[in-house]
Amino acid sequence: EVQLQQSGAELVKPGASVKLSCKTSGYTFSNYYMSWLKQMPGQNIEWIGNIYGGNGGTGYNQKFKGKATLTVDKSSSTAYMDLSSLTSEDSAVYFCARRTGPRGPFAYWGQGTLVTVSS
Amino acid sequence: DVVLTQTPPTLSATIGQSVSISCRSSQSLLHSNGNTYLHWLLQRPGQSPQLLIYSVSRLESGVPNRFSGSGSGTDFTLKISGVEAEDLGVYYCVQGTHAPNTFGAGTKLELK
Repeated sequence: EVQLQQSGAELVKPGASVKLSCKTSGYTFSNYYMSWLKQMPGQNIEWIGNIYGGNGGTGYNQKFKGKATLTVDKSSSTAYMDLSSLTSEDSAVYFCARRTGPRGPFAYWGQGTLVTVSS
Repeated sequence: DVVLTQTPPTLSATIGQSVSISCRSSQSLLHSNGNTYLHWLLQRPGQSPQLLIYSVSRLESGVPNRFSGSGSGTDFTLKISGVEAEDLGVYYCVQGTHAPNTFGAGTKLELK
């Protein structure tokens, strides 16, 4: 069974950084892409970027360049997203989602991580 | 960026009623490789989104066949043939043809 287990909720101060994780199981990590997505309360979903589990190759939404950095650890089948220089606009639920290719459907989702930016 | 316009924003239905949701794109979603990367998701309250339909009309494994998708180019439709209580939530179309991938604003399906 494919599973994506995301790290727990974060409360962080403005200007700080945070690293979210998405630990996977039930499939060959290096054969798939992982996307990260942002959903602000009651709002639309935004695609942040993709990372390929095989070689760590990335593709970003221009809007999130400089804000998000995607990495993987193949040894633990885990994807990570660093968010930097956090502001209140970064308060949201962040999802990881597996896809077969860079344009394919988001077939499996993590449970989401709530990030709250507040002093 | 490609804009996906979903209508209606809210849909009220009775159990057993058939409903349709429209997703219109500001650009053709036909990729140069011949594929159309338009997918449909359902997000139930308090849950992560769930894939229903991919590549316009392909039913994801395990999804009931009362869900169907159709369309081409810039106009796409999700149809539910006989709404059930478990179908309530927000439906999103999402395109993967053009970067960045973009989502529609969602259609909330409620019980009448």
